Amino acid sequence: AQTVTQSQPEMSVQEAETVTLSCTYDTSENNYYLFWYKQPPSRQMILVIRQEAYKQQNATENRFSVNFQKAAKSFSLKISDSQLGDTAMYFCAFLGDSNYQLIWGAGTKLIIKP
Amino acid sequence: SQTIHQWPATLVQPVGSPLSLECTVEGTSNPNLYWYRQAAGRGLQLLFYSVGIGQISSEVPQNLSASRPQDRQFILSSKKLLLSDSGFYLCAWSTTLNYGYTFGSGTRLTVV
Repeated sequence: AQTVTQSQPEMSVQEAETVTLSCTYDTSENNYYLFWYKQPPSRQMILVIRQEAYKQQNATENRFSVNFQKAAKSFSLKISDSQLGDTAMYFCAFLGDSNYQLIWGAGTKLIIKP
Repeated sequence: SQTIHQWPATLVQPVGSPLSLECTVEGTSNPNLYWYRQAAGRGLQLLFYSVGIGQISSEVPQNLSASRPQDRQFILSSKKLLLSDSGFYLCAWSTTLNYGYTFGSGTRLTVV
């Protein structure tokens, strides 16, 4: 069975700093998809970034980028020039190629301090 | 463009009362639909998902049920609420699964 592990329950950094959130997963599949979702205090779940496992190039979306290490089954999220609005819970999620269901990590609470 | 509507945003219900939460999707057809529950400070728990009208898969045996009477409508129900049903309920949809899910704004349910 697939599992997703986020080992950092909570992190805090100063505004404008760079922060990296960790995520590891376990699967026997070769084709799959990985996601980072953000859940701010409003609790709306927002897709931040996605990565296809067959793509070697790391995905980037403005200040958000991932470090995808397929062999190590690692999928970390880097937030550059962090902003107060980045304060949120961040969830890592896995989707197998033949599965309808996202497998979720437990989340990391990120606090950006002014 | 595709949008997802979920209501109500907040609900306070007494124990033993019925529940009906509704979710509708616009701008797409034949979406996969999902109901999740999130306890405070916790991750997401998949409750139900549907790949078509009348097709419901349940992930967790419980006091809740789901129905999909129309292609873009997904309803979460209960005949008699329990205190343990309190939580934050999120509806989501996907078509091309690889692109991830799009979530509604959620319903905060408090059973008193």
